[in-house]
Amino acid sequence: QVQLQESGPGLVKPSETLSLTCNVSGYSISSGYYWGWIRQPPGKGLEWIGSIYHSGSTYYKPSLKSRVTISVDTSKNQFSLKLSSVTAADTAVYSCARSSDIAFDYWGQGILVTVSS
Amino acid sequence: DIQMTQSPSSLSASVGDRVTITCQASQDIRNYLNWYQHKPGKAPKLLIYDASKLETGVPSRFSGSGSGTDFTFTISSLQPEDIATYYCQQYDNVIFTFGPGTKVDVK
Repeated sequence: QVQLQESGPGLVKPSETLSLTCNVSGYSISSGYYWGWIRQPPGKGLEWIGSIYHSGSTYYKPSLKSRVTISVDTSKNQFSLKLSSVTAADTAVYSCARSSDIAFDYWGQGILVTVSS
Repeated sequence: DIQMTQSPSSLSASVGDRVTITCQASQDIRNYLNWYQHKPGKAPKLLIYDASKLETGVPSRFSGSGSGTDFTFTISSLQPEDIATYYCQQYDNVIFTFGPGTKVDVK
């Protein structure tokens, strides 16, 4: 059974960089699929942030591209998200997920990240 | 960016009712459209992919149709366990966009 688990700080100061890691179990990242990050601000809908292929190719939401970096560490079977220059608008539940090139099939439970001083 | 809109933003219906949600894309996305069910505290669940194909294990009361810019998601007979928010999601060369969601509850 594929399982994903997010980890990282739950509180980030404005203008700083949000850093999260997704640990994957039950499937080897290097075997394939895309690995992505999706967020949901309080009371709002889902927003795809970006994805990475097991080979390292990255795909980002155009409006976030300048602030987002997604990387993969196949030796640890995990991938990471960095979002720079955060503001209160980046407060959200951040989830990691596996996808094909068309749809998401396995998701983590999500982690709430609050941006506040 | 491709923008997605959904309507209505919320609806309330009785058990057994037919429920219809629409999703519109800002440009032609052919049939590159999926539908998810999202319950609070749970991971979103893929119900329909490629606009009209039922994901394995999903009850047949769920269906989807459409192509181009206009799509429809239908629950033929609403059940209590269908209370959730439903999202459409388009895909285009590994760039994904979700619609704003439709919250469905039971009267």
